Amino acid sequence: ETGVTQTPRHLVMGMTNKKSLKCEQHLGHNAMYWYKQSAKKPLELMFVYNFKEQTENNSVPSRFSPECPNSSHLFLHLHTLQPEDSALYLCASSQGRVRNIQYFGAGTRLSVL
Amino acid sequence: KNEVEQSPQNLTAQEGEFITINCSYSVGISALHWLQQHPGGGIVSLFMLSSGKKKHGRLIATINIQEKHSSLHITASHPRDSAVYICAVDGGSQGNLIFGKGTKLSVKP
Repeated sequence: ETGVTQTPRHLVMGMTNKKSLKCEQHLGHNAMYWYKQSAKKPLELMFVYNFKEQTENNSVPSRFSPECPNSSHLFLHLHTLQPEDSALYLCASSQGRVRNIQYFGAGTRLSVL
Repeated sequence: KNEVEQSPQNLTAQEGEFITINCSYSVGISALHWLQQHPGGGIVSLFMLSSGKKKHGRLIATINIQEKHSSLHITASHPRDSAVYICAVDGGSQGNLIFGKGTKLSVKP
């Protein structure tokens, strides 16, 4: 148990669906991250929020829309996804940005049909 | 060429063996992280280091800043050590991590 909870753990959606991934941390951290992990590829940073403000958008397509209502919660809204978006989506949090350990959730395994 | 390279990509060992996983990087860094990912997907931080050596139980991590190289050692390996081990570097002023592709370790009983 890392203190970072992601729901759902598994999600299957069609290309026309709209769904949301949720991440919650109970560690009092200020920074939260969304990562994408595809097979045979390194983790890719998608978005970073620091004190609820988005500080990084790593050229992510607009069909992925993040939301951070407070420092403890992070959402990733999904719409009109493509099959190549199927991957493991991981949320992480850290106390600060530089030289801080990141704590990861268990991930959401997403399949886009 | 990736900025963070790990070797080997896959590693199979017998229980009890001494294991070494290597990580080389090409950028200036403020810290290097070793992470463990189990088949379920969750990732756990093992070490964060910027110089020298750290030890936790049977795990040892070393870093050579001049050579831009780090190693993760596992002594007396056990089947429960089977996982993917990921090296990541904290390379910029913003603190974004750059990840290697990971090393998949399988320890047989």
